[in-house]
Amino acid sequence: GQNIDQPTEMTATEGAIVQINCTYQTSGFNGLFWYQQHAGEAPTFLSYNVLDGLEEKGRFSSFLSRSKGYSYLLLKELQMKDSASYLCAVRDSNYQLIWGAGTKLIIKP
Amino acid sequence: SAVISQKPSRDICQRGTSLTIQCQVDSQVTMMFWYRQQPGQSLTLIATANQGSEATYESGFVIDKFPISRPNLTFSTLTVSNMSPEDSSIYLCSVGSRAGSYNEQFFGPGTRLTVL
Repeated sequence: GQNIDQPTEMTATEGAIVQINCTYQTSGFNGLFWYQQHAGEAPTFLSYNVLDGLEEKGRFSSFLSRSKGYSYLLLKELQMKDSASYLCAVRDSNYQLIWGAGTKLIIKP
Repeated sequence: SAVISQKPSRDICQRGTSLTIQCQVDSQVTMMFWYRQQPGQSLTLIATANQGSEATYESGFVIDKFPISRPNLTFSTLTVSNMSPEDSSIYLCSVGSRAGSYNEQFFGPGTRLTVL
């Protein structure tokens, strides 16, 4: 079957750095997405990786290793507004998005 | 990017009734998706709605319970039929284009449904 694993919850301190890991097993691979979802709101797109390596976008970076079925989302200079759930999703060979359960990130002052 | 609106934003319904959720996109899109997200959980795909053909339903979801219309490339509806409290959830419309390269999948604001 298809499976996306990410930690259920993480806690970090304002101003620090946090890395959220995602491992996947899917039928084919056509890209990996990270989304941010604040409580009660719809998910918003953060990043997309289809080739191995690091994609940087401001305070957020996302890394992909296709051979390991692994990605991480790195958040730097954490702000209180970064408290949210972070969803990892993989697009399989049928172009269907397979979603992880999300990682709830709690930022403490 | 695509801007997506959904109506209603929330509703409280009685058991046994039906609710139709509308999704409007500000541009023409190939594929539209309907998701359900129960409290504290990730997204579950209900079906993919393609213009001009029947929707494709995921395992565990059937057309009689969740009929979908897709009359054109900017609009779709999802009906939640014969509702029960287990249908209480957030329903999200999402759009994306089937492309061989980079694309984003955008989400509407969601419809929060409570069934009593």
